[in-house]
Amino acid sequence: AQSVTQPDIHITVSEGASLELRCNYSYGATPYLFWYVQSPGQGLQLLLKYFSGDTLVQGIKGFEAEFKRSQSSFNLRKPSVHWSDAAEYFCAVGARGGGNKLTFGTGTQLKVEL
Amino acid sequence: DADVTQTPRNRITKTGKRIMLECSQTKGHDRMYWYRQDPGLGLRLIYYSFDVKDINKGEISDGYSVSRQAQAKFSLSLESAIPNQTALYFCATSDRQGMGRGATDTQYFGPGTRLTVL
Repeated sequence: AQSVTQPDIHITVSEGASLELRCNYSYGATPYLFWYVQSPGQGLQLLLKYFSGDTLVQGIKGFEAEFKRSQSSFNLRKPSVHWSDAAEYFCAVGARGGGNKLTFGTGTQLKVEL
Repeated sequence: DADVTQTPRNRITKTGKRIMLECSQTKGHDRMYWYRQDPGLGLRLIYYSFDVKDINKGEISDGYSVSRQAQAKFSLSLESAIPNQTALYFCATSDRQGMGRGATDTQYFGPGTRLTVL
């Protein structure tokens, strides 16, 4: 069975500082990987996804993530955080073959200090 | 995503009441999903449907039922609501691209319905 671990429940960074949110997955083969962001009172917005190819994936809002097979990780990064990035971030893993099931991590709440 | 709408956005109800949450999409996707979100637990899949005649249970389907009235509409019902069904409920749709093991599937979420069962 697939699983996702987001080890950091809360992270606080200063505006302008760099950000890295950790995500580790468990899956029997190369998975499909996603990062979603949930702003307060909003639904989940897709930030980026990895299906195959280049292991460094660019997303919206200046985010990127790197798939590292050897570490079973898909960490999300941003070089300079803006106050509007304060939100909850979810990593998710999906099965190959267009499978139906996404397994989500428990989320990381990001706070940005001005 | 404005292409996926959920009604109502907020609902307070009492134990034992029947509740229906509705989801509509204009994305033209065949696949639709219902999730619930609880603090500290992430999102968990309740039911999913790959087309109008297809309904499948997810990991936490007990106490819930669904209806796929059309390609664009997928409703979630709580026949007799209980307090531990208090949660944020999300509808999602997805577009399957390709076939076989190379197929990919990206899910797009609605704004959510906050349900409180007293």
